[in-house]
Amino acid sequence: GAVVSQHPSRVICKSGTSVKIECRSLDFQATTMFWYRQFPKQSLMLMATSNEGSKATYEQGVEKDKFLINHASLTLSTLTVTSAHPEDSSFYICSAQFTGGGSPLHFGNGTRLTVT
Amino acid sequence: GDSVTQMEGPVTLSEEAFLTINCTYTATGYPSLFWYVQYPGEGLQLLLKATKADDKGSNKGFEATYRKETTSFHLEKGSVQVSDSAVYFCALGLYTGNQFYFGTGTSLTVIP
Repeated sequence: GAVVSQHPSRVICKSGTSVKIECRSLDFQATTMFWYRQFPKQSLMLMATSNEGSKATYEQGVEKDKFLINHASLTLSTLTVTSAHPEDSSFYICSAQFTGGGSPLHFGNGTRLTVT
Repeated sequence: GDSVTQMEGPVTLSEEAFLTINCTYTATGYPSLFWYVQYPGEGLQLLLKATKADDKGSNKGFEATYRKETTSFHLEKGSVQVSDSAVYFCALGLYTGNQFYFGTGTSLTVIP
């Protein structure tokens, strides 16, 4: 149980285009989902907390107009990287909690974004 | 504030060696503690968890005990295999709010 599906797993796009990444909780409802970014050989950097039906909460230094997050349902959150640039190339991972605080996060398999 | 401090890597071991990856935490309340594993090119998978003091989480031969007195949650495995090569993250989850804190990750390579 508690499966999180992330799509696509890999995407290559041209500079200036936008890319949408989907994160779905397949067998549970997630009122909160989290988006992380991971640089090579580094830990996870929390970008934003996505709450169903309300605006996402962004971490300091993360541009909310560049990384658009939508959490329209209890099973789906999307991250759109707008006007992507090569420096946005990274590994993006979403996660969701099955129940409330203190319960484990369940992660998607990540999306490798390459901007050319 | 709340945080997790994890042993620096990388760690290289021979197959069947004993593994310990140290993790200590700082928390204002009584957190849940977790170990996650990340294989190359993949997301994180929950390896084991412990929700209160003295709990022992175990899975796939890995174990970690929630030690409140030393604020630690060290990961151990008696005999590692090549397939255990991955990055391991210690994490802390708070009951209040949805806050989660990760260590910096420890890369493990097991050589035959």
